[in-house]
Amino acid sequence: NAGVTQTPKFQVLKTGQSMTLQCAQDMNHNSMYWYRQDPGMGLRLIYYSASEGTTDKGEVPNGYNVSRLNKREFSLRLESAAPSQTSVYFCASSEWDYGYTFGSGTRLTVV
Amino acid sequence: AQRVTQPEKLLSVFKGAPVELKCNYSYSGSPELFWYVQYSRQRLQLLLRHISRESIKGFTADLNKGETSFHLKKPFAQEEDSAMYYCALSISGGYQKVTFGTGTKLQVIP
Repeated sequence: NAGVTQTPKFQVLKTGQSMTLQCAQDMNHNSMYWYRQDPGMGLRLIYYSASEGTTDKGEVPNGYNVSRLNKREFSLRLESAAPSQTSVYFCASSEWDYGYTFGSGTRLTVV
Repeated sequence: AQRVTQPEKLLSVFKGAPVELKCNYSYSGSPELFWYVQYSRQRLQLLLRHISRESIKGFTADLNKGETSFHLKKPFAQEEDSAMYYCALSISGGYQKVTFGTGTKLQVIP
């Protein structure tokens, strides 16, 4: 039972490069989320998908796009990476009010 | 908008001492509240939910609506409790859109 799987675990990008972070869950959860974690700022919601076919902006969506490919997969794309996007990114999924299940995170550095 | 405040960035306690991690929230409705824990180099994981009124790893948390608080407590700290703890608030509605606090690092001194 894998839960939530994120790839890659680590990535270094040059300013202006693009990349896609992948997330997949095998728990049949309806809702999926992307957060970024920065020191002293906790976790901030980038985008979420309440159910398959829908996506909405969170607290810090600028510079990101998402795709809910199907019920299992929710990807996060950085079109033109900036040093301010250096962070640890977490994907999570949930069903109703049972709490989140998190992926292991992607540590992204933009130089 | 909802807000979660964890006033302590770092809390250091000796092994065997009581622990209280503070969490205050602001929200006009009836929130769902959670504590998440992140051990070193591990993913965040759900520790407990207020609606379950459960005790996990000896930790408990009571929702005080009058004081809008959801403090996490443990009577006797263990070294393995050292971790980052996040308080979180969810607005129900068929899906969760959770607001997290900035976290408190608990350091248990042997």
